[in-house]
Amino acid sequence: GAGVSQSPRYKVAKRGQDVALRCDPISGHVSLFWYQQALGQGPEFLTYFQNEAQLDKSGLPSDRFFAERPEGSVSTLKIQRTQQEDSAVYLCASSLPNQPQHFGDGTRLSIL
Amino acid sequence: AQKVTQAQTEISVVEKEDVTLDCVYETRDTTYYLFWYKQPPSGELVFLIRRNSFDEQNEISGRYSWNFQKSTSSFNFTITASQVVDSAVYFCVSGYSTLTFGKGTMLLVSP
Repeated sequence: GAGVSQSPRYKVAKRGQDVALRCDPISGHVSLFWYQQALGQGPEFLTYFQNEAQLDKSGLPSDRFFAERPEGSVSTLKIQRTQQEDSAVYLCASSLPNQPQHFGDGTRLSIL
Repeated sequence: AQKVTQAQTEISVVEKEDVTLDCVYETRDTTYYLFWYKQPPSGELVFLIRRNSFDEQNEISGRYSWNFQKSTSSFNFTITASQVVDSAVYFCVSGYSTLTFGKGTMLLVSP
């Protein structure tokens, strides 16, 4: 497909487990962004990559959150020792330089 | 730091009515973009428009129009002759690279 692809679409985990969320950006998009959207709220910025370089991680809520994009394409957002407040939709977006961001369908994470 | 305020939490209209979604933003940046995104019940965020901070010209695209006024820090969005398919949450957004979203306005258009 031509759009941003995220997997899994849904993830249920027990509190304390580690989870990994994957994002496949649109081919050729150098910029990649992760956002967290709590129920009934707007998305909030987590982190930003340009190619493989993580240029901004100021939005990551704690050191339990870690993101990587080792080859400048696919990105993984990892959450360690999950807590109930981590339950949210995690959105990935990609863009060409100075162009609008295109979003994936998101991963809905539920922590029990 | 940026802040986007969408004072209307939910708006309900009947089909064919016109509706305006309000947006007020705060920024210390001199160069920035303003956006509107649509999030239908299926969940995906759909890009609608981007405006550069230096371009206050209003824009019309079909039934959609946007009014950008720097003097009042507002970027309002009007849907003319609303349709049921317009039902969604609409987000006003500001930013240059990373985006700051408002809390969204849920628009319900009934037949």
